[in-house]
Amino acid sequence: QQQVKQSPQSLIVQKGGISIINCAYENTAFDYFPWYQQFPGKGPALLIAIRPDVSEKKEGRFTISFNKSAKQFSLHIMDSQPGDSATYFCAASKGSNYQLIWGAGTKLIIKP
Amino acid sequence: DAGVIQSPRHEVTEMGQEVTLRCKPISGHDYLFWYRQTMMRGLELLIYFNNNVPIDDSGMPEDRFSAKMPNASFSTLKIQPSEPRDSAVYFCASKGNNQPQHFGDGTRLSIL
Repeated sequence: QQQVKQSPQSLIVQKGGISIINCAYENTAFDYFPWYQQFPGKGPALLIAIRPDVSEKKEGRFTISFNKSAKQFSLHIMDSQPGDSATYFCAASKGSNYQLIWGAGTKLIIKP
Repeated sequence: DAGVIQSPRHEVTEMGQEVTLRCKPISGHDYLFWYRQTMMRGLELLIYFNNNVPIDDSGMPEDRFSAKMPNASFSTLKIQPSEPRDSAVYFCASKGNNQPQHFGDGTRLSIL
């Protein structure tokens, strides 16, 4: 019940396309859902986060969609650029001061 | 803001040797996390501290691993004796209250 399942494991998208990464969770006590972006040789960095009181949050080209009833949330990257090529992790926790439960990661490649 | 500082960035040592990884969290942050990242197992939480006190060490793989946080500005992760299967990238992250985790750039550890 503590797991966060992330898919796909890898994704190739053409420049300008939409990248979509999905995550599912089981623990209904989770109420904080961040996405982290990791470039090679660097640590993960927070990209965007959402709480379950909203169904969508947008920051620039990045959007989180949240479906509380389905216990799913997804990251959409609009107008994907080669600089977006990275590994993306979803995570979940019970409040922002509890440990994060991490998805397995998605390696995204944007083809020019 | 200097960010989370980890040292060394790379460590290569022989099996059986003691390895010490170091972390300086962001000033003012009261949570500190140690993670291990491998291709096979993804990002694993090893241990985390709150106000220098270990809160959850259930992710520490064996007694060969130990972590300390003697003060708010320094933490160590020690492996003794080291084994080839300990080869991984080790990340330290810190966070303030109700803030996201900030990661260092990691220590790439190779045990020969």
